[in-house]
Amino acid sequence: AAGVIQSPRHLIKEKRETATLKCYPIPRHDTVYWYQQGPGQDPQFLISFYEKMQSDKGSIPDRFSAQQFSDYHSELNMSSLELGDSALYFCASSFSSAEAFFGQGTRLTVV
Amino acid sequence: GQNIDQPTEMTATEGAIVQINCTYQTSGFNGLFWYQQHAGEAPTFLSYNVLDGLEEKGRFSSFLSRSKGYSYLLLKELQMKDSASYLCAVRDYRGNAGNMLTFGGGTRLMVKP
Repeated sequence: AAGVIQSPRHLIKEKRETATLKCYPIPRHDTVYWYQQGPGQDPQFLISFYEKMQSDKGSIPDRFSAQQFSDYHSELNMSSLELGDSALYFCASSFSSAEAFFGQGTRLTVV
Repeated sequence: GQNIDQPTEMTATEGAIVQINCTYQTSGFNGLFWYQQHAGEAPTFLSYNVLDGLEEKGRFSSFLSRSKGYSYLLLKELQMKDSASYLCAVRDYRGNAGNMLTFGGGTRLMVKP
């Protein structure tokens, strides 16, 4: 069965650079979530989309933005990267009232 | 908003039973999920409760009481590979905005021989 696909799996960027993370949800899922998880921490909700419209915003810095495209894939754009942005970034998708499935995550390292 | 509380760490012995509790406060409750997460890996879905009662799936069971804002995950016949973080997540219904899924702090379970 198709799963949530995230790319890239690993990304190394320098401070003040820009990064774009991509997420391809499971087909027919109408909700996409983005989470940031630092070492030893629980996933922190960043932003979500429902039917391609932004539905909720969590603790997402102004330097970050996200969108969902007509084909339902989503991108998280991160600018002016800081060392503290180094983390695992997970995308999850769900269909209405069903459970959310997570992608394998993108490990971002800012040096 | 939501407040989700669960113990930070627990230790149990291989072969034993352990219960991980989760309490929550939310305005538009639309389901509670339990996920297992090994270090550096994605959370994997374990169970889902939306109505009161017990849901059993093999060695794992999850219980929900909506009136008390309380759930627990029960792990039986513990194995060493069950050492992981267990995340309680609550879904909030937001009407036209769909659903929002918020995680608790996670409980790190260590299974000892």
